[in-house]
Parts: sequence; structure tokens; C-alpha cells
Amino acid sequence: DSGVTQTPKHLITATGQRVTLRCSPRSGDLSVYWYQQSLDQGLQFLIQYYNGEERAKGNILERFSAQQFPDLHSELNLSSLELGDSALYFCASSVEVNTGELFFGEGSRLTVL
Amino acid sequence: AQSVTQPDIHITVSEGASLELRCNYSYGATPYLFWYVQSPGQGLQLLLKYFSGDTLVQGIKGFEAEFKRSQSSFNLRKPSVHWSDAAEYFCAVGTTNFGNEKLTFGTGTRLTIIP
Repeated sequence: DSGVTQTPKHLITATGQRVTLRCSPRSGDLSVYWYQQSLDQGLQFLIQYYNGEERAKGNILERFSAQQFPDLHSELNLSSLELGDSALYFCASSVEVNTGELFFGEGSRLTVL
Repeated sequence: AQSVTQPDIHITVSEGASLELRCNYSYGATPYLFWYVQSPGQGLQLLLKYFSGDTLVQGIKGFEAEFKRSQSSFNLRKPSVHWSDAAEYFCAVGTTNFGNEKLTFGTGTRLTIIP
């Protein structure tokens, strides 16, 4: 158990819909990261938040957005969903210093039909 | 921008045999290098990391990796694999910007263990 909690574990929805994925980082971790894992793209970095502020952005689509709340949990919002958005979405967290050690949750599997 | 190449998509090894998973990276500065393991239905777990110093690093579960700057490689090794090592292994390179621990992952190597 990494200490990172993601909900929901599985989600099935239709094209055009909007979903929200939630992540609770490990206690004390200020940084939260979102990654997308798909068969064709592999593990892609989406976005990082540090103590409520956006810190780095990766290959995140404009239809996707994220935020980190004062209690440090984070949400990833995916809208106007397309079939190609079906993937495993991971949240990870890390301590403040640049250790490079990310602690990953078990992921939220999104299926868009 | 940094990148990681894992040339082997799938490797099959007999239980008790030695293992080496290959990883090549591209990064302009001194890299931070990592190996993560993903068991089925699980998130990724850090096996080991290299920041600086001794180029042979030890990790959890009996794994080690060697950083070779001249070859831009960071291969993962284990002298004797166990059936529980069956998983997907990801090599990753990190930036050296303080506070930004964005990692770039390779495409992964799936390890199958046969009895």
C-alpha cells in the first residue's frame, strides 16, 4: 500500500460525458502528479501540482483539467470524452524535495463507450 | 527533452535464472534515473534510483542497476529471479529542476517467469 488513494477504481461512461477522478496523496506529500497509461501511448505525464499550485504540465489535453485543493487532495476532470480517452489514470505523490521518488496509487480505469 | 528507450517489450526467464533489463536514456544534463515495477492491477512501485555517486545502485527485492554514462544506459539486473518478479518494469528519467519531479517513462518491459 503506497498510501495514495484513488477513486473510483473503475468507471464506464459514454462519449461526450464528463468525469472526475479523485486522488488523496500520502500524508505529508505536497506534490501530486497525474499520469495516463494506455496501450498505445504508454505512461504519459499529464500535470503536476505542488501545494495547490500548478507546477508542470505535460501532454494534457485542453478537455482535461486538474486542481489541488487546500487539503492537498487533487481532482482530474475529463470532459467531452472520446473513445481514445479510455485508459488507466494514475495519481502519484511525492515529498517536497526533489527525490524523484513518486508513490503511485492503484489507478482509475476509465472506459469510454 | 529527455527520453527513455526500453528495447525489449517482453522477456521470458526461467525461475532461478539471472535477469537483465535494458534501458537507454537521453538527457542533456546529469540524469536522475529510476526503475519502477508494476504488478498486475497495481500502481507503480520504485525499485531503485540513481542520482549521483556510486554507479551501481542497490534496490528492493534483490534488484540492482548500473549507470553507464558512456553508454547512456541504466540496466536493471537480478542474479536469480523468483516467480513473484513477473511484472512490468519501467525505466524513467527525471529532470533536475528543483521541485519538479516530472518523470519520463519508457514503454516498459513485461517480464514472464517460467517454472
